[in-house]
Amino acid sequence: DAGVTQSPTHLIKTRGQQVTLRCSPKSGHDTVSWYQQALGQGPQFIFQYYEEEERQRGNFPDRFSGHQFPNYSSELNVNALLLGDSALYLCASSNGQGYSPLHFGNGTRLTVT
Amino acid sequence: DQQVKQNSPSLSVQEGRISILNCDYTNSMFDYFLWYKKYPAEGPTFLISISSIKDKNEDGRFTVFLNKSAKHLSLHIVPSQPGDSAVYFCAASVDSGYALNFGKGTSLLVTP
Repeated sequence: DAGVTQSPTHLIKTRGQQVTLRCSPKSGHDTVSWYQQALGQGPQFIFQYYEEEERQRGNFPDRFSGHQFPNYSSELNVNALLLGDSALYLCASSNGQGYSPLHFGNGTRLTVT
Repeated sequence: DQQVKQNSPSLSVQEGRISILNCDYTNSMFDYFLWYKKYPAEGPTFLISISSIKDKNEDGRFTVFLNKSAKHLSLHIVPSQPGDSAVYFCAASVDSGYALNFGKGTSLLVTP
C-alpha cells in the first residue's frame, strides 16, 4: 500500500522564480494538506484541499497557491520565490473522517539561492 | 504566535528506562492532540492521538496523557529503545479534520 508520495525530493531555485511541488495521497485518502517546515521549527500549515477546493488556509501570502485534481493528487505552487521560502515542504493526506490522523510524505527540500 | 510549545529541545534517556516528553498549549479550543515521530530525511510518522474527551490513551509502549485544566499533554515511552531516538512533535487542532498546530519538537536520544 503506497503511502504519500512527493516529487521532487530536492529542488534548487533562484530568487524570483516559480516552483511547483507535487503530491499523491495515500490510497483511500481524499484530503491533502501542505506544510512548510523551516530548519529547527515544527511544520507550519499552509492550506488544505478537499473535493478540489481549498478548505482552510494558514497564514501564508498569496504567492502560495495550490490545486487538487479529481484523483485527489495535489500541487503546491510558490511564485516570486524569496530566500526565506527555503524549507522542507511536507504533504499530508487523510480520509477526511473525524479524528483521522494525517499521513505525511517525506517532503520536498526547496533551496532558494 | 506559538500555540503549541515543547520547551525541551532535547532529552537523553537510557535504554529500558521511561522517556517523558512534554507539551503545553495555549488555545483552549484545541480538541484533538497527536504525537508524531520524525527521523532525518523522512516525513513525520503518526504515533498516537487523544481527543479532548479522554485523559489517557495507550498504544503498546506509548501512552499519552492529557490534562485539560493545565493545557498540558505528555508522551510516555516505556521501555525506551534505541530505535526510539528521533525528533518528537506534539500537534493539536481545533476540530479534528483541520489544520494541525505543531510544536518545535523534542529530540530524544536513547542510549544503550
